[in-house]
Amino acid sequence: DIQMTQSPSVMSASVGDRVAITCRASQGISDYLAWYQQKPGKVPERLIYAATLQSGVPSRFSGSGSGTEFTLTISSLQPEDFATYYCLQYQSYPWTFGQGTRVEIK
Amino acid sequence: QVQLVQSGAEVKKPGASVKVSCKASGFPFTNYGFIWVRQAPGQGLEWMGWISAFNGRTNYAQKFQGRVTMTTDTSSTTAYMELRSLRSDETATYYCARGTWGVGIDYWGPGTLVTVSS
Repeated sequence: DIQMTQSPSVMSASVGDRVAITCRASQGISDYLAWYQQKPGKVPERLIYAATLQSGVPSRFSGSGSGTEFTLTISSLQPEDFATYYCLQYQSYPWTFGQGTRVEIK
Repeated sequence: QVQLVQSGAEVKKPGASVKVSCKASGFPFTNYGFIWVRQAPGQGLEWMGWISAFNGRTNYAQKFQGRVTMTTDTSSTTAYMELRSLRSDETATYYCARGTWGVGIDYWGPGTLVTVSS
């Protein structure tokens, strides 16, 4: 199985900060990597897939990487961005999620 | 528009089984697969498995092999997930989601809370 190691697990940041979250795959997954945002009590929402911004997602979110190293960047953190973020590899079964990164208010 | 409507909350005793349904609409059912993901309270997302609505082919996570069965009913455009021999630490919200190889998960159902308690 492909292991996804996400870091950091918790991040404290302020509104306006540039934030980067990383996912490392235990083997190459090309660009079959998605990022999800989940707010408490809500369903996860896809932000990025294959480095492509999901329709309707603000442009301050971006995804980069290929192979084994991937990054989700939020260029200027907004109040509504405080949430937990997960990566998901869908290159091969079983698909696997990262452990999650909780972005907290500093 | 794409909709995934899941069955309601369940309370089960340890050792029992639960079957969660996921009614799909707004897209050609057999063109897609369905993923089941669970999330224990305060924990992360856990991929349980996938089923093709086209041919019923499945792929289950190793930890659920032998205890989970995923099925689809094309006549009612509904996907099902049955988990047997429930343990108390399997209290979680169980999500169905639309998922396809090469595309990933694009739509999620609202989740079904399954509480396992004696």
